[in-house]
Amino acid sequence: EAGVTQFPSHSVIEKGQTVTLRCDPISGHDNLYWYRRVMGKEIKFLLHFVKESKQDESGMPNNRFLAERTGGTYSTLKVQPAELEDSGVYFCASNGGYDNEQFFGPGTRLTVL
Amino acid sequence: TQLLEQSPQFLSIQEGENLTVYCNSSSVFSSLQWYRQEPGEGPVLLVTVVTGGEVKKLKRLTFQFGDARKDSSLHITAAQPGDTGLYLCAGRPAYSGAGSYQLTFGKGTKLSVIP
Repeated sequence: EAGVTQFPSHSVIEKGQTVTLRCDPISGHDNLYWYRRVMGKEIKFLLHFVKESKQDESGMPNNRFLAERTGGTYSTLKVQPAELEDSGVYFCASNGGYDNEQFFGPGTRLTVL
Repeated sequence: TQLLEQSPQFLSIQEGENLTVYCNSSSVFSSLQWYRQEPGEGPVLLVTVVTGGEVKKLKRLTFQFGDARKDSSLHITAAQPGDTGLYLCAGRPAYSGAGSYQLTFGKGTKLSVIP
């Protein structure tokens, strides 16, 4: 069974540009989570989808971040326009039930110059 | 806001030594999870502790959940070079409803076991 996949693995962009990160959860997992780790800090929750609906987006930093999960399969996280403080590693996780183990993807390392 | 203080942040020990990593909080968690992360990969779950006072063993790794479910520890006996990696603790909130499925992470402990 394929695990959670994320694309791209690395992205280097300039301040003010737009970047879209993609996450493909484990097939059949209704729950999809986005987390972010900024250098020197802990991994922090961004938001949680149940199928295509946003269940909890309390961790989204500001309105420059837009997450979608059309059709309840893969998800995208768009940052527009990117700022220097957006640099970090963005992780996606999924699980089949709320209380089940969250399986993490390898992350996307975003660098904003 | 729930916080998990994880210590130490870095640990370098000789093969065969024992070590303990701590996670502490002023908040109560419904469960506490320990992950291990390798470079270029995402966190991989090692264990989940749910009951206050619970102790779980995974080969040479012993995990304990505090009686009040506010803290946890990971003890490794006779560390080996293969134990090298980043260890993370993460807690699930004790309340139900919105936000109760997000994980709160500690900053991690980077362990190096020298042969």
